[in-house]
Amino acid sequence: HSVLTQPPSASGTPGQRVAIPCSGSSSNVGSNPVTWYQHLPGTAPKLLMYSTNQRPSGVPDRFSGSKSGTSASLAISGLQSEDEADYYCAAWDVSLDDYVFGTGTKVIVL
Amino acid sequence: QVQLLESGPGLVKPSETLSLTCTVSGGSINNYYWSWIRQPPGEGLEWIGYIFYIGNTNYKSSLRSRVTISLDMSKNQFSLKLTSVTAADSAVYYCARHDVIPLMEHGMDVWGLGTTVTVSS
Repeated sequence: HSVLTQPPSASGTPGQRVAIPCSGSSSNVGSNPVTWYQHLPGTAPKLLMYSTNQRPSGVPDRFSGSKSGTSASLAISGLQSEDEADYYCAAWDVSLDDYVFGTGTKVIVL
Repeated sequence: QVQLLESGPGLVKPSETLSLTCTVSGGSINNYYWSWIRQPPGEGLEWIGYIFYIGNTNYKSSLRSRVTISLDMSKNQFSLKLTSVTAADSAVYYCARHDVIPLMEHGMDVWGLGTTVTVSS
């Protein structure tokens, strides 16, 4: 279903660094900027990162984004309990002419 | 502060048309793109399509034959119609805003809380 692949879950203890990979192809991640969303069930998804590595106003600098080739990554440093949520990458796919989301990763704070 | 609120029937019969409305408050529809996104139970997010404030639309390729997104500028609303629904269309449906930068590079910065639609007889 989803064109972008993420691991189902990632975990860490408070204060640790967690990285969430997002694997795509040359028609999406490889050629276009990546966006990341944070989603707590029952709430509205929140824009976390845009243009691959830009944080909207109000997003802590503990969150950072990067990309290399057809893979992108969201890193959370200094993990906090409030970071426990689902995280989705997204990008425009020029072959499908669609905006495609990743499969989603649930971050668990141990 | 711009807020979005989805509304519409929570239950739709198979083969019928799903119709939802998103009301924009605290701001204007002008100069933005407006998208619909859904999340089936236990699954991830899926972009359905968008409409620009001047009426241009773009739909997800696999849904294109069944989707229509329209605007009502006088009410500051935009709407989603999805025809011939099946159980696979059961989901939480969200509306969201994004700016005019191409390829949705800046992402969707304002979202509604979502509304649950179940397709069942």
